[in-house]
Amino acid sequence: QVQLVQSGAEVKKPGASVRVACKASGYTFTSYGISWVRQAPGQGLEWMGWISANNGKTNSAQKLQGRVTLTTDTSTNTAYMELRSLRSDDTAVYYCARDAVFSTVTMFDPWGQGTLVTVSS
Amino acid sequence: QSALTQPASVSGSPGQSITISCTGTSSDVGSYNLVSWYQQHPGKAPKLMIFEGSKRPSGVSNRFSGSKSGNTASLTISGLQAEDEADYYCCSYAGSSTLVFGGGTKLTVL
Repeated sequence: QVQLVQSGAEVKKPGASVRVACKASGYTFTSYGISWVRQAPGQGLEWMGWISANNGKTNSAQKLQGRVTLTTDTSTNTAYMELRSLRSDDTAVYYCARDAVFSTVTMFDPWGQGTLVTVSS
Repeated sequence: QSALTQPASVSGSPGQSITISCTGTSSDVGSYNLVSWYQQHPGKAPKLMIFEGSKRPSGVSNRFSGSKSGNTASLTISGLQAEDEADYYCCSYAGSSTLVFGGGTKLTVL
């Protein structure tokens, strides 16, 4: 079955970086894209960005540009999200979700299980 | 990019129908037929319920339906069931390969 499995929870200090992995299985990885969405505690969903697993093209939310890098490794069917210069308000559950291959089309299905990133001194 | 506007909460009794609205602008909801809806139970990942405004993925009950009028999209759930109690989020394409979510609506089944 189509599945996205994410890496485990992280605790980071302010100013540090975090990298979250999202391993795909059950489908042809390069025929789709991956979007990243985060959810702060008790808050709503926030789209972070999208990457095509076919050609590596990316787009990211304006507020995160310069701090977020999205990559894929097609040899292991894994997508990565790196967020730098972490602040306390980056504390959230980070999700990956399968998306369209040439542009995000808001059709996120399925989702990974989520990765809690806690930023605390 | 401003978040889409959803009511904070809605409620209904089992068997009733409810509608959740999602209001955007002519730059997002009004310009594209790319609105999706997600259901999220506490502590769980979101689940796709509606895509491209009104299409249901395989396995989603036909009690869920989507529509759009102008800058407002809507999710209707008919024949409310206890398991429908969850948070619901709308999401719209906003051009230039970006998108925006709504603030979320908590559905309570009375």
